[in-house]
Amino acid sequence: QQPVQSPQAVILREGEDAVINCSSSKALYSVHWYRQKHGEAPVFLMILLKGGEQKGHEKISASFNEKKQQSSLYLTASQLSYSGTYFCGPNFGNEKLTFGTGTRLTIIP
Amino acid sequence: GAGVSQSPRYKVAKRGQDVALRCDPISGHVSLFWYQQALGQGPEFLTYFQNEAQLDKSGLPSDRFFAERPEGSVSTLKIQRTQQEDSAVYLCASSLREGFGTGANVLTFGAGSRLTVL
Repeated sequence: QQPVQSPQAVILREGEDAVINCSSSKALYSVHWYRQKHGEAPVFLMILLKGGEQKGHEKISASFNEKKQQSSLYLTASQLSYSGTYFCGPNFGNEKLTFGTGTRLTIIP
Repeated sequence: GAGVSQSPRYKVAKRGQDVALRCDPISGHVSLFWYQQALGQGPEFLTYFQNEAQLDKSGLPSDRFFAERPEGSVSTLKIQRTQQEDSAVYLCASSLREGFGTGANVLTFGAGSRLTVL
């Protein structure tokens, strides 16, 4: 039931692009994306709703394929501040989010 | 308040002790969630409140875990007779609940309470 994210970890040089994928075995109502830095609270990045409405971050984009039950997060021209662990949090039509396995992103200068 | 506040930030308990973790959500936020995050894992849902009503407690791992939000604001997560497997960071999150059931409610998390059971 827990969504699966890929890759599990990725190391990039500053300025490179990254794609993080989230796949669910259940039909998705919406997908949230959060970033968590070590020892800190998860911070909201992006939400994708059924029907294509999006609310989120100006430098990060995402896609949501309802049919395939997948979402992808796109980070372009990565900055050092992008380092952290990224979690997708699908919603299955109720109030709670079920967080994925996480993707650890490290940006090096 | 400006953000979600949790206390204590760190708690060390001996196996068998009871602990209480407090969450002070953002003022006016109707929904409040508790999540458990083990080391290197994603947050796992424990329970959810809408105002003072506990609407979902399906994630509580055992009857040793109990949560309350008596006045619809501050919430307390209580763990009785702690075990080593309870060691984790306990995250509280709140949301405005702008759209019931649409999955559009953005969660604001607190920094968490790290529980270590010896």
